Amino acid sequence: QQQVRQSPQSLTVWEGETAILNCSYEDSTFDYFPWYWQFPRESPALLIAIRPVSNKKEDGRFTIFFNKREKKLSLHITDSQPGDSATYFCAAGAQVVGQLTFGRGTRLQVYA
Amino acid sequence: AQTIHQWPVAEIKAVGSPLSLGCTIKGKSSPNLYWYWQATGGTLQQLFYSITVGQVESVVQLNLSASRPKDDQFILSTEKLLLSHSGFYLCAWGTDTLYFGAGTRLSVL
Repeated sequence: QQQVRQSPQSLTVWEGETAILNCSYEDSTFDYFPWYWQFPRESPALLIAIRPVSNKKEDGRFTIFFNKREKKLSLHITDSQPGDSATYFCAAGAQVVGQLTFGRGTRLQVYA
Repeated sequence: AQTIHQWPVAEIKAVGSPLSLGCTIKGKSSPNLYWYWQATGGTLQQLFYSITVGQVESVVQLNLSASRPKDDQFILSTEKLLLSHSGFYLCAWGTDTLYFGAGTRLSVL
């Protein structure tokens, strides 16, 4: 059973467009939602994260929108750049040590 | 600043041979440590976690074992590799946010 779902599996946008990556979860006990990005042949790195006390988290061109009632969140990347091309993983964690569940990722390609 | 080092960077091993992968973290006392596995193009699957020396919790059974012999060291091993063990092995530290090492690429032939 997949607890964290991501869509689309892959996404292609042109430079300057807004990319929207979606994520949903099933477990109501999840209370921390980090997004990681991973470039080819590198390890994942934290990009941005949100807790349910907020419904929006912004960091430069990256914004998380969070809907607790629907158990959905999305990552918006405005003014997309070719350097943003990577695989983006949505993850969900609860206040239990060791519990961080990852989705299957969205592969983003930004063309110049 | 905390640094996490994994070794080796890459391995090519034969089916049935043993394996030992290592991870060391510096600059953090009593860290929570994790092992993750990623198939090519796949998601990140947690394998083990440890919150203290000598204690390791298994999350998924993949014919692998882990040990934490020192506060700053986490070891992943098996006596007999399978083809399905190929992939990218990542060590991480953290509580809710995880910080990953550079990883070890394993090819089992």
